[in-house]
Amino acid sequence: EAGVTQFPSHSVIEKGQTVTLRCDPISGHDNLYWYRRVMGKEIKFLLHFVKESKQDESGMPNNRFLAERTGGTYSTLKVQPAELEDSGVYFCASSQGQGRTSGRYEQFFGPGTRLTVL
Amino acid sequence: GEDVEQSLFLSVREGDSSVINCTYTDSSSTYLYWYKQEPGAGLQLLTYIFSNMDMKQDQRLTVLLNKKDKHLSLRIADTQTGDSAIYFCAEKRSGAGSYQLTFGKGTKLSVIP
Repeated sequence: EAGVTQFPSHSVIEKGQTVTLRCDPISGHDNLYWYRRVMGKEIKFLLHFVKESKQDESGMPNNRFLAERTGGTYSTLKVQPAELEDSGVYFCASSQGQGRTSGRYEQFFGPGTRLTVL
Repeated sequence: GEDVEQSLFLSVREGDSSVINCTYTDSSSTYLYWYKQEPGAGLQLLTYIFSNMDMKQDQRLTVLLNKKDKHLSLRIADTQTGDSAIYFCAEKRSGAGSYQLTFGKGTKLSVIP
């Protein structure tokens, strides 16, 4: 079974440009999460989809970030326009279930996209 | 505070035990996790513990939870060179109907042959 995949693995862009990251979750996983790790800091939650709906977007830093999950399958995260502080590794994760009894529905992480904004 | 705290580095000799410590923040967190990240790879779930447990053992891994002190530890017995990686402690908080994971900065474990 394929795991969570992310594309591209690396992206180098200039400040002010636009970048779109893609995540393909594990087939059948309704829950999809985006996280990012800025250099030297913690991995921070960005948002959570249940199917195509945004369940929680409390971690989105500002309106330059737009996440979509049309059809409830893959998701994209667009940064427009990119700023220097957006550099970091963006992780996507997916899980089957949710709720207090579903801790065993672990979040499976992709390899991440390393974004560098120059 | 808001942060999950971990020491940043740990160095051990092959064959010794490694103990990675973590202090979390939310007493209502129901699950606590240890993830491993090898170079160039994503995060791999190593183990998790439910908040009503004190200890969980899984082969070479032992997780200890002190809920009163909000302290979590991961012990790796007979540490091997393949255990060299970054280990992240994470807690599962509830917020806005979601169960986001809150991570520490990660502990880089170096195993000396």
